[in-house]
Amino acid sequence: KQEVTQIPAALSVPEGENLVLNCSFTDSAIYNLQWFRQDPGKGLTSLLLIQSSQREQTSGRLNASLDKSSGRSTLYIAASQPGDSATYLCAAYTNAGKSTFGDGTTLTVKP
Amino acid sequence: EAQVTQNPRYLITVTGKKLTVTCSQNMNHEYMSWYRQDPGLGLRQIYYSMNVEVTDKGDVPEGYKVSRKEKRNFPLILESPSPNQTSLYFCASSFGTGGEKLFFGSGTQLSVL
Repeated sequence: KQEVTQIPAALSVPEGENLVLNCSFTDSAIYNLQWFRQDPGKGLTSLLLIQSSQREQTSGRLNASLDKSSGRSTLYIAASQPGDSATYLCAAYTNAGKSTFGDGTTLTVKP
Repeated sequence: EAQVTQNPRYLITVTGKKLTVTCSQNMNHEYMSWYRQDPGLGLRQIYYSMNVEVTDKGDVPEGYKVSRKEKRNFPLILESPSPNQTSLYFCASSFGTGGEKLFFGSGTQLSVL
């Protein structure tokens, strides 16, 4: 059974700092890995999707990498801003439609 | 506007009283899925559907039913709710078989007394 772990559970940084969020998964037979953002009381918003054949994806200040062999993905946020404060979740997908989410990392960016 | 719509947003009910949470998407997505989110347990998949009339169990299907009679709708049915089903529920959809960008609804906070 796939297990997804996110470390750290919480992170607090000053504005402007670059940061890395980690996601690890136990079964490397994934179809893709997706990073999401969740604001309090809201649904999830997809940030980046990395197909299993890809190594990384970029969107603005966000960069996500995928290393299937080691079972790891990272989300890099450059020049963090207070508006980046949220919970970030990663999810591993199989091509049969099943998904497994990590517990998330709650990020606080202080002005 | 492209969206996944869940109703109701909040629901309080009593043990054993059947309820349905509706989910509808207007993006012509093949894939739809239900999740529950609980503190300390994260987001867990309940059921998913890769197309009309095709549904499969996720990790925590016990106590839930779903149906996919139309492409746009994927209701979640609790035949006899129990307090351990108190949770925040999310519906999501995507193109293809779930390997594409996933769009989430705003959630349904369910309390079973």
